[in-house]
Amino acid sequence: RKEVEQDPGPFNVPEGATVAFNCTYSNSASQSFFWYRQDCRKEPKLLMSVYSSGNEDGRFTAQLNRASQYISLLIRDSKLSDSATYLCVVPNKGGSYIPTFGRGTSLIVHP
Amino acid sequence: DTEVTQTPKHLVMGMTNKKSLKCEQHMGHRAMYWYKQKAKKPPELMFVYSYEKLSINESVPSRFSPECPNSSLLNLHLHALQPEDSALYLCASSQDNQGNEQFFGPGTRLTVL
Repeated sequence: RKEVEQDPGPFNVPEGATVAFNCTYSNSASQSFFWYRQDCRKEPKLLMSVYSSGNEDGRFTAQLNRASQYISLLIRDSKLSDSATYLCVVPNKGGSYIPTFGRGTSLIVHP
Repeated sequence: DTEVTQTPKHLVMGMTNKKSLKCEQHMGHRAMYWYKQKAKKPPELMFVYSYEKLSINESVPSRFSPECPNSSLLNLHLHALQPEDSALYLCASSQDNQGNEQFFGPGTRLTVL
């Protein structure tokens, strides 16, 4: 089983829709979780950090389910500009913390 | 200043060339990272520096040689690369290497001919 798994999509939704992605992780000791957004040919940009049960920022909500070992990202009222790849990152502790990326979920918001 | 800068933006080099990629941050972060990213794939961790010491090398070939001259700077020296090394090379920094959020530079797009 991969350490961090994401459905690659693409998720194709109309403007104004609500869309949710999940990210499952294998290391039950993980304490921090991150969602990044990456546009084509650009660098990943931090979208949300999750250290406890969840986090909310405007139209974006991230929730952590420790029992089932997944984090979700909910986007409400989708905009065309939300089209991007959403990367889930879970730092895994071995001797040091190793940032472990999911493969990313592609979102396309259409008019 | 919450920015990570990288130079050059683009680099084309032959297989016999030696070149260097540079990364700089002034956020007081003590962990810095090099990643390689191919199209439609997530970033792939190469190296981690923590307090200016190399703490993680993800079995990267020796033709890639990292260097951390001080807490703000990170270099990646390239020598005798192969065409399959063509990729986007991303630098990132974080407060420390304890699982904190990372901030990425814009990357260097490298083409090896």
